[in-house]
Amino acid sequence: SAVISQKPSRDICQRGTSLTIQCQVDSQVTMMFWYRQQPGQSLTLIATANQGSEATYESGFVIDKFPISRPNLTFSTLTVSNMSPEDSSIYLCSVEGGTGGGGTEAFFGQGTRLTVV
Amino acid sequence: AQRVTQPEKLLSVFKGAPVELKCNYSYSGSPELFWYVQYSRQRLQLLLRHISRESIKGFTADLNKGETSFHLKKPFAQEEDSAMYYCALRGGGFKTIFGAGTRLFVKA
Repeated sequence: SAVISQKPSRDICQRGTSLTIQCQVDSQVTMMFWYRQQPGQSLTLIATANQGSEATYESGFVIDKFPISRPNLTFSTLTVSNMSPEDSSIYLCSVEGGTGGGGTEAFFGQGTRLTVV
Repeated sequence: AQRVTQPEKLLSVFKGAPVELKCNYSYSGSPELFWYVQYSRQRLQLLLRHISRESIKGFTADLNKGETSFHLKKPFAQEEDSAMYYCALRGGGFKTIFGAGTRLFVKA
């Protein structure tokens, strides 16, 4: 299993500013994933972050808006840039872990609840 | 393209009644399918995965490749089962995508 700590757990930000969310994992992982969960919606994958290379962004998400760092195998940050009220969401960090008997499982941080005013 | 469909946003049942949360998927290869659950004020966590064919908290889910479904079932719902349930698919690129979620409300 993997234990993920996300900071901050919540924040209220002014439009036009930026917020950096940190994700720390208690074990080394190759890939880290960032998701967004808008109010009343499901989880949408923003990007996959690999250590030592640029993040891979999903359709509809761009690096200028959501820059990601992955300096080592246990840590990543997601920045929400030039925020607008539409960016108000829960942002989740996730990693994969192997499970006994085969297969994989996704582990999640507790999320960062962002409100943009 | 990978897609997960959960047609019901809300499912409300009485305690002791059977529960079935529907999930259909679209994927050209052999997917890994999961059910994740989020209880109130807790983080999202794995409930069960098709590969292990296990029963967790009385819930089971069978992968039906012909119908491309992975419905979650429990014969007798309990109040503590009230939560948000997400069906998820792990396919190409090691990415996990999620359905829209179904909120299960078990009434006393």
